[in-house]
Amino acid sequence: DAGVIQSPRHEVTEMGQEVTLRCKPISGHDYLFWYRQTMMRGLELLIYFNNNVPIDDSGMPEDRFSAKMPNASFSTLKIQPSEPRDSAVYFCASSTGSRNTEAFFGQGTRLTVV
Amino acid sequence: AQSVSQHNHHVILSEAASLELGCNYSYGGTVNLFWYVQYPGQHLQLLLKYFSGDPLVKGIKGFEAEFIKSKFSFNLRKPSVQWSDTAEYFCAVNPSGALNFGKGTSLLVTP
Repeated sequence: DAGVIQSPRHEVTEMGQEVTLRCKPISGHDYLFWYRQTMMRGLELLIYFNNNVPIDDSGMPEDRFSAKMPNASFSTLKIQPSEPRDSAVYFCASSTGSRNTEAFFGQGTRLTVV
Repeated sequence: AQSVSQHNHHVILSEAASLELGCNYSYGGTVNLFWYVQYPGQHLQLLLKYFSGDPLVKGIKGFEAEFIKSKFSFNLRKPSVQWSDTAEYFCAVNPSGALNFGKGTSLLVTP
């Protein structure tokens, strides 16, 4: 397996534009997580899915953020409209579930909003 | 509030020095504990994990961690660091389905 695949790797956009980040989890993994990494706040859990259903979205910072998982092999994180404070590295991770299994992370998307 | 605390934000060591990075958590009940490493410009990778049994856990690249339940701690250790260990290290707890991370410790190993 190629691991968790995220696209794009880098995104530069202007404030107010819509941004869509994409993630393909490892085949067979039924949990998918979105994290945001910044210097100030470290790694924050935004939302996670189990079997394509959102389980906990309490980490989503604002209504401008939304995430979907239309099928087991694809998820998106959308920011609309984007703001400079959204600049961060966004990681997607997947796992086989249960609390004692490790999560495998993608390479991340570095988002810069100017 | 439930949290994971890493006390050392930046650590600088010379090669061959010993390493210990602190991690404390404030979750009640049974927890599963992890240490992840993030090399410069790369994604997070698992170093080691603890679920049950022997509280001294051995991971990859010579790392180990000790779970001390009474202290709510899971400190990471390595007897002799190498330049290639330069990275950011994250302690994490999985109380209910998703990993909650500490803010990380940046380790710089100098030749």
